[in-house]
Amino acid sequence: DGGITQSPKYLFRKEGQNVTLSCEQNLNHDAMYWYRQDPGQGLRLIYYSQIVNDFQKGDIAEGYSVSREKKESFPLTVTSAQKNPTAFYLCASSIRGPLLNTGELFFGEGSRLTVL
Amino acid sequence: ELKVEQNPLFLSMQEGKNYTIYCNYSTTSDRLYWYRQDPGKSLESLFVLLSNGAVKQEGRLMASLDTKARLSTLHITAAVHDLSATYFCAVVVYIQGAQKLVFGQGTRLTINP
Repeated sequence: DGGITQSPKYLFRKEGQNVTLSCEQNLNHDAMYWYRQDPGQGLRLIYYSQIVNDFQKGDIAEGYSVSREKKESFPLTVTSAQKNPTAFYLCASSIRGPLLNTGELFFGEGSRLTVL
Repeated sequence: ELKVEQNPLFLSMQEGKNYTIYCNYSTTSDRLYWYRQDPGKSLESLFVLLSNGAVKQEGRLMASLDTKARLSTLHITAAVHDLSATYFCAVVVYIQGAQKLVFGQGTRLTINP
């Protein structure tokens, strides 16, 4: 079945460590996104990528890094520079461009990161 | 900068009652989405609204869009417990050809028997 797979589902990190969250999609979507969600809050955009080997910062990119070496993969690294990384991280993808389909985002199941 | 505001943020209702969640946004957009999120889970797409006056219904939920007023509503009819969840609206913005979704804060809906 087509979909978005995030791993790990739960992750614990010690302060000062970098961690990488995986996001893989087999929907053949061009665009991929990373959002962060804090308890009781909406989603905030971290990074997004419209095509392979290209990505842009979202609203809260500081302390995060991404790569887009393959169309189906968009890993997110939470670096030690991120001061408050404990959150729920959601990866999403969509068909690129407003003229194609509805531009709807499809979400993965999320990764919950806790800093000890 | 686009701002998306939902009202109310918390809603507790009795089964069988009707209620409406409001989503206001600050700049022009041509599409709006409604998502549902259960505790600890991902987002599930409910509705995609693509034009002014669009109305979509699925079961006890009905969503509408007024692009002139920059307002969308999510109406719940004869609520049942299974509809308890957090509901998000999200509005599309385009920056340098790239599409971004800006989310509201979410409305946490609790339906009591």
